[in-house]
Amino acid sequence: DQQVKQNSPSLSVQEGRISILNCDYTNSMFDYFLWYKKYPAEGPTFLISISSIKDKNEDGRFTVFLNKSAKHLSLHIVPSQPGDSAVYFCAGYNAGGTSYGKLTFGQGTILTVHP
Amino acid sequence: EPEVTQTPSHQVTQMGQEVILRCVPISNHLYFYWYRQILGQKVEFLVSFYNNEISEKSEIFDDQFSVERPDGSNFTLKIRSTKLEDSAMYFCASSGDGNFNQPQHFGDGTRLSIL
Repeated sequence: DQQVKQNSPSLSVQEGRISILNCDYTNSMFDYFLWYKKYPAEGPTFLISISSIKDKNEDGRFTVFLNKSAKHLSLHIVPSQPGDSAVYFCAGYNAGGTSYGKLTFGQGTILTVHP
Repeated sequence: EPEVTQTPSHQVTQMGQEVILRCVPISNHLYFYWYRQILGQKVEFLVSFYNNEISEKSEIFDDQFSVERPDGSNFTLKIRSTKLEDSAMYFCASSGDGNFNQPQHFGDGTRLSIL
């Protein structure tokens, strides 16, 4: 099941710089996307979401961009902090359908922010 | 902040035995989910539950699996006769206090090890 792909297994960034995490999807029925952060031994924690009627959503240091024509979304973290070091998952679902919130996840990207 | 709680954190079971994983969703949420993550793989959807019945289930969720909301607070996942390949992290999630398009909040998971 490759409906959501995160092609970069890992990303290393210096503290204070921008982190850009990328995600591609193939299922054109997806109309709602979420980013989750996961620390070891914890469950995924919701970060930010975006509906397909928007191309950008911002919440503090986190901004998600959606390019529907390219079926691509990205998460920008500015400025990056060492506490942001975690695994980041993007997920999509068909909010307008009958899937009742079934999330399809990407493989995750390990972000390491160096002090 | 309200959170989803899961017990136990780690369950070790002999192959062929029944196992019950327990979850207490966020109290005013209406939609409940189980996901699993096999080591090194993606987080995969298992089942969604709303209004005391299954809304959707994946191919993984075969006759060996069942879910139940036995009272107003608990949400359980039962595996009747466990197999080695059931070894995984199992995550419970809940969402929706009336507005369906709300993010799912995850528990910290139960690590299930089948011997």
